[in-house]
Amino acid sequence: GAGVSQSPSNKVTEKGKDVELRCDPISGHTALYWYRQSLGQGLEFLIYFQGNSAPDKSGLPSDRFSAERTGGSVSTLTIQRTQQEDSAVYLCASSFRRTGQQETQYFGPGTRLLVL
Amino acid sequence: DAKTTQPTSMDCAEGRAANLPCNHSTISGNEYVYWYRQIHSQGPQYIIHGLKNNETNEMASLIITEDRKSSTLILPHATLRDTAVYYCIAGAGGTSYGKLTFGQGTILTVHP
Repeated sequence: GAGVSQSPSNKVTEKGKDVELRCDPISGHTALYWYRQSLGQGLEFLIYFQGNSAPDKSGLPSDRFSAERTGGSVSTLTIQRTQQEDSAVYLCASSFRRTGQQETQYFGPGTRLLVL
Repeated sequence: DAKTTQPTSMDCAEGRAANLPCNHSTISGNEYVYWYRQIHSQGPQYIIHGLKNNETNEMASLIITEDRKSSTLILPHATLRDTAVYYCIAGAGGTSYGKLTFGQGTILTVHP
């Protein structure tokens, strides 16, 4: 079956521009996560969605970062006024989360963002 | 999430078993042990998870000690394509949601 997909796969932008990154989770998955991986670093949690709501936004590094999820499916991560330190691979994961049950997250291929 | 400790790097000969250790001495009773791997330039790939019992699937086996303070991921017949960074994560289960906290992982190099 189809896995998690992300677009674009690569994005080059100029400092100060806004960018939108898209994530299409596995069909039927209720939970969606965004992570970031800077060069040579581990994965850093950004935000978690359950349905269309985001109970945990604690990982968003600044107010330039925002995300939304519509229809309990597609999610968009927006970075406003990009800075060079935003350059990283942005990864999306989804899972079928049921309260009290174990969940397994499945990751997309990521979007490689380069801010010049 | 409980902190995990893994060796920075390991080597393995092709065709041999790769045994990757992980310490998670502060793991709580409802936290699962997850293993993911990341091959260069790709997203993390789920391998296996367990709570108390040993687990096996088509990719690997997971051995968890009785006190749950450590575990070992076993790739029974390593191939060159198994060269990757392997992450051991003690993740929330039960009523907590599943945000994963990735450490630095173990760089496994499989050589001919």
